[in-house]
Amino acid sequence: SQKIEQNSEALNIQEGKTATLTCNYTNYSPAYLQWYRQDPGRGPVFLLLIRENEKEKRKERLKVTFDTTLKQSLFHITASQPADSATYLCALGAGNNRLAFGKGNQVVVIP
Amino acid sequence: EADIYQTPRYLVIGTGKKITLECSQTMGHDKMYWYQQDPGMELHLIHYSYGVNSTEKGDLSSESTVSRIRTEHFPLTLESARPSHTSQYLCASSEYETQYFGPGTRLLVL
Repeated sequence: SQKIEQNSEALNIQEGKTATLTCNYTNYSPAYLQWYRQDPGRGPVFLLLIRENEKEKRKERLKVTFDTTLKQSLFHITASQPADSATYLCALGAGNNRLAFGKGNQVVVIP
Repeated sequence: EADIYQTPRYLVIGTGKKITLECSQTMGHDKMYWYQQDPGMELHLIHYSYGVNSTEKGDLSSESTVSRIRTEHFPLTLESARPSHTSQYLCASSEYETQYFGPGTRLLVL
């Protein structure tokens, strides 16, 4: 069956350090992968998209890698700040502009 | 900030009532989506639309129905609400791959 796995345990990290989140998937062949941020009681907000032929994408303090052989994406927040505290969702392109989402991984940045 | 709106934001209603959750976007996007999300769980696609008069059921079976009579409007209706419908409902729209989400409607059926 198709699965998207993100760590269910919250990541507690000291301010200024790099937070790294993992997204693993099985039985998907996504043409692209996206990362979203979701705050409590709010809708997700798009952060980054990376395509299957791209290895790495950066936007300001964010970096995403995509390894289609390992079926894995890594999401990095460098120089983390308390305002980065949120849940981060991995989403796979599931065809016809539909997305399949993981459960998300909570990040808590400690001042 | 995406121009996509959902009303109401919160709704508490009794079993058996008919409800309509509203979703509107001002971006002119052809594609719109409805997701259901329970606390700590992933978003599940319940309905989507590729344009006016086009609606499809999503991956998660739902007793709700949708309509798309205007590009900007994609309401979701539950004919007879039940406690099992208690959840957060998120609406989204897209032009290409990126989806823009509304703030969500938190529904509680007593």
